[in-house]
Amino acid sequence: QVQLVESGGGVVQPGGSLRLSCAASGFTFSSFAMHWVRQTPGKGLEWVAIIRYDGTDKYNEELVEGRFTISRDDSKNTLYLQMDSLRGQDTAVYYCAKEERRVEPAGPDSWGQGTLVIVSS
Amino acid sequence: QSVLTQPPSASGTPGQRVTISCSGGSSNIGRNHVYWYQQFPGTAPKLVFFRINQRPSGVPDRFSGSKSGTSASLAISGLRSEDESVYYCAAWDDNLSGPVFGGGTKLTVL
Repeated sequence: QVQLVESGGGVVQPGGSLRLSCAASGFTFSSFAMHWVRQTPGKGLEWVAIIRYDGTDKYNEELVEGRFTISRDDSKNTLYLQMDSLRGQDTAVYYCAKEERRVEPAGPDSWGQGTLVIVSS
Repeated sequence: QSVLTQPPSASGTPGQRVTISCSGGSSNIGRNHVYWYQQFPGTAPKLVFFRINQRPSGVPDRFSGSKSGTSASLAISGLRSEDESVYYCAAWDDNLSGPVFGGGTKLTVL
């Protein structure tokens, strides 16, 4: 079965950086787009970014404003999210999620357990 | 604040049928499939219904979905105590080029 395990969260000061990882198993990782979605008590679920099977990426620019980079290593079945210039409003649980459709993405079908990022001085 | 609009709460008694609505626009629900997730406190969202009539393996057929225009709904029949959870809708948004979510509906089984 699909398994997604995030890591790399923690406490970071404003302006700092973090790199989140998501180890995938149970499906052909290289064939599917992957998402990062974050969740806060105040704003609920917010889509952050997607990277397609061919490496093309797209961001929720209103959220990330050029500060985050999504990437993937198909040889390691791992998804990444590099987060720079972090702000307090980036504090959230970050989930990696597998795209449901193989070709044109439509929405996630499987989610990891999430990793908590706290941006605070 | 969320792009898709859901009622914050819903309730029903065991055995009842409840529906949760989700309202969007022409760039999301109006053109794309809707996904429904169930989330218990401290856990990740779990897909319970998607596209027009798809239910993931292991999800009981008490869960069903429908869509009309720019609105969608999730129906749960034969309500059980274990259905008490928060339910989110989502749909791809052509303007965002990514999925948008509802604010979630907390379902209480009385």
